[in-house]
Amino acid sequence: KNQVEQSPQSLIILEGKNCTLQCNYTVSPFSNLRWYKQDTGRGPVSLTIMTFSENTKSNGRYTATLDADTKQSSLHITASQLSDSASYICVVRLISSGSARQLTFGSGTQLTVLP
Amino acid sequence: DSGVTQTPKHLITATGQRVTLRCSPRSGDLSVYWYQQSLDQGLQFLIQYYNGEERAKGNILERFSAQQFPDLHSELNLSSLELGDSALYFCASSPSFAASGHSPLHFGNGTRLTVT
Repeated sequence: KNQVEQSPQSLIILEGKNCTLQCNYTVSPFSNLRWYKQDTGRGPVSLTIMTFSENTKSNGRYTATLDADTKQSSLHITASQLSDSASYICVVRLISSGSARQLTFGSGTQLTVLP
Repeated sequence: DSGVTQTPKHLITATGQRVTLRCSPRSGDLSVYWYQQSLDQGLQFLIQYYNGEERAKGNILERFSAQQFPDLHSELNLSSLELGDSALYFCASSPSFAASGHSPLHFGNGTRLTVT
């Protein structure tokens, strides 16, 4: 069964600190993995996409990594800000002819950044 | 702003009632997706439409139905509502039927449904 597991479920850090969120998946055959940020009461917004051949990709203070061999991805947030408080969702896509069934969503990590 | 518009933002109704949620996709996007997000739960895929035709079904209850109109806006109809249907309902859109591919889904800000 295709699954996406995220850890930790929730995380509280102080402003200015770094943190790393984890995503493990069993989805196969793998096409790509995308990280979304979901602010409370808002829709998810894409942060970055990782394809099979990519190991690391940065988007400002966000750095995503992918190890396709171990089927693990991480999202590292540097110098956290209060606005980083949100749920971070990992979404993995199957290689297929294409439909929404080919997307598997993780349950998200709820990050809270305190002043 | 994602360009995806959902109305209404909030909806409060009683058990047994029927409601309609509306979604206007981003300009140029042909696919519309509906997702349900219950309290502290992940996004659950309900249904996808592409250019007016149903493309894929997820865990959508028989009491729920949807359609996409010629102008590409979509409506999600929820009937015989139960307390457990209370959730955030998100609409997303993408240019093609191949969900995401290398293009992200663009989500609206959701309709919060409360069934009392």
